Amino acid sequence: QKEVEQNSGPLSVPEGAIASLNCTYSDRGSQSFFWYRQYSGKSPELIMFIYSNGDKEDGRFTAQLNKASQYVSLLIRDSQPSDSATYLCAVNNNAGNMLTFGGGTRLMVKP
Amino acid sequence: DADVTQTPRNRITKTGKRIMLECSQTKGHDRMYWYRQDPGLGLRLIYYSFDVKDINKGEISDGYSVSRQAQAKFSLSLESAIPNQTALYFCATSRGVPQPQHFGDGTRLSIL
Repeated sequence: QKEVEQNSGPLSVPEGAIASLNCTYSDRGSQSFFWYRQYSGKSPELIMFIYSNGDKEDGRFTAQLNKASQYVSLLIRDSQPSDSATYLCAVNNNAGNMLTFGGGTRLMVKP
Repeated sequence: DADVTQTPRNRITKTGKRIMLECSQTKGHDRMYWYRQDPGLGLRLIYYSFDVKDINKGEISDGYSVSRQAQAKFSLSLESAIPNQTALYFCATSRGVPQPQHFGDGTRLSIL
């Protein structure tokens, strides 16, 4: 079982809709969680991080964390074609020394 | 602007050659990381370093070695390159847990 799981997609949403990206993790002791956006051939770019249960909002992005169920999600409101990219979920390990990345979800926002 | 710089950006070489990928940063971060990315496999950690005297193996260190020449410089070497090391390589830095990691622009490496 992979430590951080994401549906590879593609997830296709129309422009203006809400895109919902999900991630589950296996290490119950994980403490910090990150979402990165990666355009094809480019480097991962940090979008959001979340440490506590609940929601964290930043502009059109909302990260949601549920430690009891071991999942973290990213909502993108008013999706734009420029949001089309692969979204990587990353989770710190129990010792806090390194991040484990999921395989990423490819999002396609259609005009 | 503070940055993480990787050189070269692209490299094509032959099986058996020794290759060095370099990473330098102006962020002042103590922690540096090397990852490789393959289609469908996501980012996998090769080596990481928490300071100049600290080097640790990651998930896939076989066939690779690293050198932390200074706080700002972390190099990755492939001693004898093989075709299945063809991948996109990223360097990243962070202040430490729970701070996020920041990535360089990557090196696209092709081994023929």
